[in-house]
Amino acid sequence: EADIYQTPRYLVIGTGKKITLECSQTMGHDKMYWYQQDPGMELHLIHYSYGVNSTEKGDLSSESTVSRIRTEHFPLTLESARPSHTSQYLCASSEWGQTGGPYEQYFGPGTRLTVT
Amino acid sequence: KNQVEQSPQSLIILEGKNCTLQCNYTVSPFSNLRWYKQDTGRGPVSLTIMTFSENTKSNGRYTATLDADTKQSSLHITASQLSDSASYICVVSDRGSTLGRLYFGRGTQLTVWP
Repeated sequence: EADIYQTPRYLVIGTGKKITLECSQTMGHDKMYWYQQDPGMELHLIHYSYGVNSTEKGDLSSESTVSRIRTEHFPLTLESARPSHTSQYLCASSEWGQTGGPYEQYFGPGTRLTVT
Repeated sequence: KNQVEQSPQSLIILEGKNCTLQCNYTVSPFSNLRWYKQDTGRGPVSLTIMTFSENTKSNGRYTATLDADTKQSSLHITASQLSDSASYICVVSDRGSTLGRLYFGRGTQLTVWP
């Protein structure tokens, strides 16, 4: 069982509100990720981090922002939520793999966000 | 364009039966292929990871195969159980970047009926 946690698990919020989705891992992993997943669709990478003070945008453009002040913590923030942000958000972490080798990526349980 | 295609999109089988899920990919350069199980409302959990040199790997009742020449993989589930009902996602990693970029399929939704 992976030690990666997300809160809240479910969130229903009105348009225009600021929200922060929390993600924490206790495995000491340097690499962390945020994915967005709509029902029946593939996961899309929206943010990732190589370590403290490192953040990068992923493949899917997102209005969200992230921060990495501590190794174990990788929160995602939406300054002004809109209905188009309704989705499931999955956090993940991994170790650095051997060069060219695979690394295990562990996922949190996800946050189901609904913006009304 | 790097893509991962899975079939069928959904599958219903009776408890105790076997089934095989398919994955075709165009990701290049290829590093490894993973199969994940995702229960409804949960995050994906890794079942197997295979590198270029591996053509089969088992994890209990799950057996994955890889043909790197044809860029195809399959996941075979033996003696299915009700708890196998989930989405099974094929994920391919390239080796073109330090990140080891993951490409996700849309998954096969498996339902096991009693």
